[in-house]
Amino acid sequence: DVKVTQSSRYLVKRTGEKVFLECVQDMDHENMFWYRQDPGLGLRLIYFSYDVKMKEKGDIPEGYSVSREKKERFSLILESASTNQTSMYLCASSRIGGLGIYEQYFGPGTRLTVT
Amino acid sequence: SQQGEEDPQALSIQEGENATMNCSYKTSINNLQWYRQNSGRGLVHLILIRSNEREKHSGRLRVTLDTSKKSSSLLITASRAADTASYFCATDLPLNDYKLSFGAGTTVTVRA
Repeated sequence: DVKVTQSSRYLVKRTGEKVFLECVQDMDHENMFWYRQDPGLGLRLIYFSYDVKMKEKGDIPEGYSVSREKKERFSLILESASTNQTSMYLCASSRIGGLGIYEQYFGPGTRLTVT
Repeated sequence: SQQGEEDPQALSIQEGENATMNCSYKTSINNLQWYRQNSGRGLVHLILIRSNEREKHSGRLRVTLDTSKKSSSLLITASRAADTASYFCATDLPLNDYKLSFGAGTTVTVRA
C-alpha cells in the first residue's frame, strides 16, 4: 500500500514565523504535490515536483517555497506565515508513465492555524 | 484555475438509496478521476476513466463520461453511512501530464 505521511496533523503558528511542513512517500513516486484546501474553493495546487531538486509553481505559489532534496521527501515552507495562510494543507504523490497521468495518493493533511 | 465543477454542492439521502453527482469541465481531457474525502482527512482515489471510455464500474460505484458534453457522473448504489464524505472530480490539464485540477466537491450525507 502506498503511504504518504505528513509531519503534523494540527499546527498553530504565529504571524511572521517560518513554518515547515514535511511530506514523505514510500512508493518511489516521481511526482509530489502540495495543495491547500479551503471551504468552497476545493483543492488548489501550490507547488509540485517531478524529480529531485525540480519544482514548478502551481496556481497559488505566492508566500510559499518548496524543497525536494530526496525523492521521498517534499517540504513546503511558509517563509513568513500570515493569517490568510490558515488552511488545510495536503501533500500527494503519483508515478508517471507512458499513458499519462495516474492517480494521486494523499497524506492525511495538516490543519495549519496562523494567529 | 479550476477545470471541474461538481453538482450538486450537497446531497442528503437515506441509507440504501442511490446517490448521483455530476462533474462538468471546460476543456478537453485525457482522463477524469473521482476522489473521496472523509471529514478532515486526505483524499482517497476512487476511480479513473480515460477519455476513450464511456463507463466504468468499481464495486458500488459507476462512473460515466460524456466527452461531447464535457461531463461525468458518479453513481453510488445502495448507499451506506460510511459513504458520508465529500466527493471530488479531478481532470488533467491540456498539455500537462502531471497536474490535476480539482473541483470544489459534492458533500454527501447518508442518513441512517
